[in-house]
Formats: sequence, structure tokens, C-alpha cells
Amino acid sequence: KAGVTQTPRYLIKTRGQQVTLSCSPISGHRSVSWYQQTPGQGLQFLFEYFSETQRNKGNFPGRFSGRQFSNSRSEMNVSTLELGDSALYLCASSPTGWDTEAFFGQGTRLTVV
Amino acid sequence: TQLLEQSPQFLSIQEGENLTVYCNSSSVFSSLQWYRQEPGEGPVLLVTVVTGGEVKKLKRLTFQFGDARKDSSLHITAAQTGDTGLYLCAGYNFNKFYFGSGTKLNVKP
Repeated sequence: KAGVTQTPRYLIKTRGQQVTLSCSPISGHRSVSWYQQTPGQGLQFLFEYFSETQRNKGNFPGRFSGRQFSNSRSEMNVSTLELGDSALYLCASSPTGWDTEAFFGQGTRLTVV
Repeated sequence: TQLLEQSPQFLSIQEGENLTVYCNSSSVFSSLQWYRQEPGEGPVLLVTVVTGGEVKKLKRLTFQFGDARKDSSLHITAAQTGDTGLYLCAGYNFNKFYFGSGTKLNVKP
């Protein structure tokens, strides 16, 4: 069974640009959550999608948005990039989101210059 | 403020030594997970504990969930260089995971 796949693995963007990250969950998993990981703040919850609907949201500005498709694949978009958005972005999938286990992808390393 | 506090933040030990990492909270969690993360990779699930007082063993790793389900510990016996990494605890409540800040473990040969 394939794991969680995130693309791309690495990205370098310029301040002010926008970026889209992709996450394909484990087959059969319908919940996808996104996290931002930085050395200073650790793992911070961005949002969770289930059945194409955003079900939970963390405390991030509106520049961070996401969506989920009917095949459960999810995308995360960050607009008007700032230097502080440089981080490892991780997605995690679980069957229903009400499960007690989540499985992470390898992450996308975003560098904003 | 982190909902889950991990200690210590950093740990550097020699191969063969034992160590314990702690994860504490003032909140009760329905379950708690431990993950290990290597640089540039996503966290990998090690164990989930659900019942207060539960103890789980994974080879040289022993995980314990506190009786009140507010804290957990991870004990590693005879650490090996392959145990090096960032250890994260995560508590699950109300359809959300809350992560600790992590313990960075370095096991020297």
C-alpha cells in the first residue's frame, strides 16, 4: 500500500509569489491535514479536509488556503509569500479524521527568498 | 504556549546508554502518539497509546501513558546511533492533533 505522497519535495520561491503544494493520501483515507514545521514553532496545524470540505482550521492568515478533490487528493496554496513562510510543509492522512493515528508524507521544503 | 510540553529539548548520549523522554500536558487526551522524524523527512509513527496506564514495548523502546491520560514517557534502553532523530509526541482530541515541540536525540558512537 503506497504511503502519503507530497510533491514537490523542494521549492524555492520569491517573496510576493504564490505556491501550490500537493498531497496524495493513502488509498482509502478521506481525511487530509496540513502542518507547517519550523525550528522555532515546531509543528503547527494549518487545516484539515474531509470529503472535499474544510473541517478544521488552525490559526494561520487567509493567505494559507487549501482544497480537497473527490479522489481525496489535497492541495495547499500560499499567496503573497513572506520570508517567514519558509518551512517544511507536511500533510497527514487518516481514514476518517476521527482516528487516533495519522500517517505523514515526507513533506515539501519551501524556501522563500 | 504549547499544549504538550516535551523534555528535555535536546539530549546527547553515548551508544549503549538509557534515556527517557517526557511529554506532559494539563489537558486530557483520548490518545497519544509518538513519532520519530529524521532531517528532511516526515514524522514516522512509532506507537499509539489509548488507555490510561498503558505500557507498550517496541523492541528497545518502552512507551507509557499516564493514568490520567495527561502525560506520557518514552524510554529507550541501550540506545543505538540509529535512534538519532527528533522525537515528537502528539495528543489527539476533538478531531485534532496537538504536537509537542520535540526532543532532539543524538546518539554518539
